[in-house]
Amino acid sequence: EVQLLESGGGLVQPGGSLRLSCVASGFTFSSYAMGWVRQAPGKGLEWVSVINSIGGTTFYADSVKGRFTISRDNSKNTLYLQMNSLRAEDTALYYCAKGGSSNYSPSDYWGQGTLVTVSS
Amino acid sequence: DIVMTQSPDSLAVSLGERATINCKSSQSVLYSSDNKNYLAWYQHKPGQPPKLLIYWASARESGVPDRFSGSGSGTDFTLTISSLQAEDVAIYYCQQYYNNPFAFGQGTKLEI
Repeated sequence: EVQLLESGGGLVQPGGSLRLSCVASGFTFSSYAMGWVRQAPGKGLEWVSVINSIGGTTFYADSVKGRFTISRDNSKNTLYLQMNSLRAEDTALYYCAKGGSSNYSPSDYWGQGTLVTVSS
Repeated sequence: DIVMTQSPDSLAVSLGERATINCKSSQSVLYSSDNKNYLAWYQHKPGQPPKLLIYWASARESGVPDRFSGSGSGTDFTLTISSLQAEDVAIYYCQQYYNNPFAFGQGTKLEI
């Protein structure tokens, strides 16, 4: 059974940093692209970032480019999202999602999400 | 960037009736090399993570009831629920994965 467990969310002040983690199990983690999608309170889904299976290719939404960094450790079956220079508009539930064999694939499994709140 | 626009924003359908949700992309998501439309549909219920329903515009994900179907090509796509059930109440999103950034539509709220 595929499982994705996010952690690392919390309350952070504007301008601060946070690192999200997503531990995966139930599939061969190193064979699949992985990504992050967020949902701000009362808003729709917003795609954030994706990384290919070996970590060599990354894509970002314009809203987070230059501030967020996606990475992965295939030896630990773990996906990360380093978030710097956080803004109030980054407040959201952040989902980890499993992709396909390339970045150009839909997300077929999702975690329950971890909540990030940016506020002073 | 590709912009995804769904219509309507909300929809009320009687139980057992057909529900149709539309999604339009600002440019084609049909990749000529493999003749596939890089378009997915998701169902999102409160308190749950999104669920993949349809990929490649018309391929049903394993375990998804056959009352859900996807159609369309190029820039215009449709998600159809042939006979609405109570458990289908949710927000539905289309997403293109043809070109970075992989944008979602704004969502369509489906109610009974």
